[in-house]
Order: sequence, then structure tokens, then C-alpha cells
Amino acid sequence: DAGVIQSPRHEVTEMGQEVTLRCKPISGHNSLFWYRQTMMRGLELLIYFNNNVPIDDSGMPEDRFSAKMPNASFSTLKIQPSEPRDSAVYFCASSLPGELFFGEGSRLTVL
Amino acid sequence: SQQGEEDPQALSIQEGENATMNCSYKTSINNLQWYRQNSGRGLVHLILIRSNEREKHSGRLRVTLDTSKKSSSLLITASRAADTASYFCATDASGGSNYKLTFGKGTLLTVNP
Repeated sequence: DAGVIQSPRHEVTEMGQEVTLRCKPISGHNSLFWYRQTMMRGLELLIYFNNNVPIDDSGMPEDRFSAKMPNASFSTLKIQPSEPRDSAVYFCASSLPGELFFGEGSRLTVL
Repeated sequence: SQQGEEDPQALSIQEGENATMNCSYKTSINNLQWYRQNSGRGLVHLILIRSNEREKHSGRLRVTLDTSKKSSSLLITASRAADTASYFCATDASGGSNYKLTFGKGTLLTVNP
């Protein structure tokens, strides 16, 4: 199994632009998470899907952030419009009970 | 807010020495997990210890849990340069959502060859 696959690995964009991050979870995992990691705040849970349904989006910072999971093998995290303070590494993870499997992350830099 | 807090923030040792990292948390938990993150990579699950367990081993890893003190420790024995990474504890709060892991900010371990 290839593990959780995220794209792009690196994204540099200008303030105000739309950013779309993509994730392919491990086949058979029915839970998917989006996390954000920064030096200041550490690892923060943004949103959790179970069986493709958003269960908890209380960590989504504001309306500029949205996430979808149209099917069991694909999820997106969109930021529109992006701001410099959104610069971070965004991780997608899928899970078995008691264990998260993380992707390699998407490093976003907003200038 | 951070549930788990690792201590120390950074640790530098020589190859072959043991490394001990600690984690304190605030509320009752169902389980506690340790993850490792190499620079520029995603987190990798190392070990899970349940609230009714006191100690668990996996290879060169030994994890202890003291629920009365709300603390856990991760011991890596006979460290290797390849163990250089950040180590995070994550807690799954009892009575709360069983999916919601709260991560600490990690301990950066450097193992010098």
C-alpha cells in the first residue's frame, strides 16, 4: 500500500489566491483527518470525516477554509482567499482504530 | 489548548545512550499514543498505551503511563543516529470524542554519531 498520498508537496502562492490541497487516504480506512502544523501552535485538527461525512469541523479556522470528501478515496482542503497567516504544513491522515496514518504533508507558503 | 505537553523540548545525546522523553496531560484519557516525525515528513505511529496499562514495550521503545500523575514517558534504548526526529505524545480524552487526538508540541531528539 502506498500510504496516504498528498499533493502538492509544496505550494507557494500570493495572498488572495485560492489554494487546493488534495489527499488520497489508505484504502479501507473510513476516517480521514486534516491537520495543520505550525511552530507556534503545533499540530491542530481542522476537520474529521467518517465514511465521507464531515463529523467535526470545529477546528476550521474560518469561512475561508472548506473541505470536501466526495468519495472514500479523495478529499480536498480549500483556502479561498489565502492569507500569509495560513502558511503552514497541512497533513492529511486516515485511520484504523487507535492509529493515525499521516501523509507527507503539503507545505504552504502564502506571500 | 494543548492536552499533552512534552518535556524536554529538545534533547541531544550520543549514539548508544538512552533517551527519555516525558509527556504530561490534563484530563482523563482512554489511551495515549506516541508518534515520531522526521524532518520534513509526516508523523509515524510508534506505540499506543491504554489507560489501564502501566508499561508497554516495542523493540527498543518502552512506554510507561502513570494515570495518577497524568504523565507518560517514552524511553528509547541504545539510540542510533537514525532516531533523530521529533517525538509527540497524543491523547484520546475519555468521555470525549474517540477520534479526537490532541498532540503536544513535541520533543526534538538529536542523536549524535
